[in-house]
Amino acid sequence: DQQVKQNSPSLSVQEGRISILNCDYTNSMFDYFLWYKKYPAEGPTFLISISSIKDKNEDGRFTVFLNKSAKHLSLHIVPSQPGDSAVYFCAARNSGTYKYIFGTGTRLKVLA
Amino acid sequence: GAVVSQHPSRVICKSGTSVKIECRSLDFQATTMFWYRQFPKQSLMLMATSNEGSKATYEQGVEKDKFLINHASLTLSTLTVTSAHPEDSSFYICSVAPPQAVIQYFGAGTRLSVL
Repeated sequence: DQQVKQNSPSLSVQEGRISILNCDYTNSMFDYFLWYKKYPAEGPTFLISISSIKDKNEDGRFTVFLNKSAKHLSLHIVPSQPGDSAVYFCAARNSGTYKYIFGTGTRLKVLA
Repeated sequence: GAVVSQHPSRVICKSGTSVKIECRSLDFQATTMFWYRQFPKQSLMLMATSNEGSKATYEQGVEKDKFLINHASLTLSTLTVTSAHPEDSSFYICSVAPPQAVIQYFGAGTRLSVL
């Protein structure tokens, strides 16, 4: 049973436009959410986080939105750049643990 | 700079051999490290939590005798895949979390190919 889902396996966006990556979860006990970016044959690189007590966190071109009632979070990248092309994973942590559960990832391709 | 160093980056071995993967925390002492596995086009799956000075905690379905974890110091954890078989071929990644921190930092991963 997949507790963290990224239903879009891939996404293509024109350079300069907004990229929106979505993530849904089922466990209401998740208290922290992270977004990672991953290139092939490399480990994931941390991008941005959000606590369950917030609904938005912004860092430069990256903004994460959390809708607790819908159990949904999204990562917005604006403006998108070709270097943003990678696989993006969302991850959720069970309250009181160190363990994160990862989604299956969304491959973003930013077209020049 | 890198927070976590993982070595080797790629291993090709014959079936039946054992392979050791090292994970080093470079910037801080880590009492806890994590080992993940990723199959092609799939998510990162937590295999075990490595605890310094004590036994690792394995996730359900992960064979502790197959995947030996040693966390002998505050900066080094090792994962040994014993008697590797082709079905063990995968991408293995370690991560560390600074004390009291939420974020996990990942190593570059090890691509294991068992022939």
